[in-house]
Amino acid sequence: SQQGEEDPQALSIQEGENATMNCSYKTSINNLQWYRQNSGRGLVHLILIRSNEREKHSGRLRVTLDTSKKSSSLLITASRAADTASYFCATDAGGYNKLIFGAGTRLAVHP
Amino acid sequence: GAVVSQHPSWVICKSGTSVKIECRSLDFQATTMFWYRQFPKQSLMLMATSNEGSKATYEQGVEKDKFLINHASLTLSTLTVTSAHPEDSSFYICSGRGRALNEKLFFGSGTQLSVL
Repeated sequence: SQQGEEDPQALSIQEGENATMNCSYKTSINNLQWYRQNSGRGLVHLILIRSNEREKHSGRLRVTLDTSKKSSSLLITASRAADTASYFCATDAGGYNKLIFGAGTRLAVHP
Repeated sequence: GAVVSQHPSWVICKSGTSVKIECRSLDFQATTMFWYRQFPKQSLMLMATSNEGSKATYEQGVEKDKFLINHASLTLSTLTVTSAHPEDSSFYICSGRGRALNEKLFFGSGTQLSVL
């Protein structure tokens, strides 16, 4: 079963703009992760934020986590055409030995 | 970073045949391997979790006799789709995790299965 819901489902922006994607989840978590998937390929890990962290940065990526609202956001600043991909959040579903993915956001960055 | 090699990248087979997909962790020991299925423009659906040397744990609704998972070593896990049918056509992705729990997963590049 899906743990997370993401919005928007699809996002289309111009190069240089910022892209924000949101993820909500249902059960308590130990950490939340964001992954990127290029069309027809496997997933690449972007960033992990633990339940006791509120914000984390990695290059042009900024992730926030609000455990009281059971939500997270991924911000990509100064987007590039190469950022075009699907982005998924994933949680450890309350400590169980598995990672459950959200529905994903398809991001299209136009030159 | 760690690499998971998944083969084949794509396979076309006739209905009723069996297909084996391999995932190898090249530079780490994957104590846990996860197998996912993905339909076009949809998210990853967890099929099963396998720990090295143990039987796989299947998610609800996944037929264990149809999707055979073997994780005999710390570097190799296989998924065999037995008696494949057109409805089994999908993108299958494996991912491996090392000894520490709650760590990030390393994904294979996926296998596109088309059953005619």
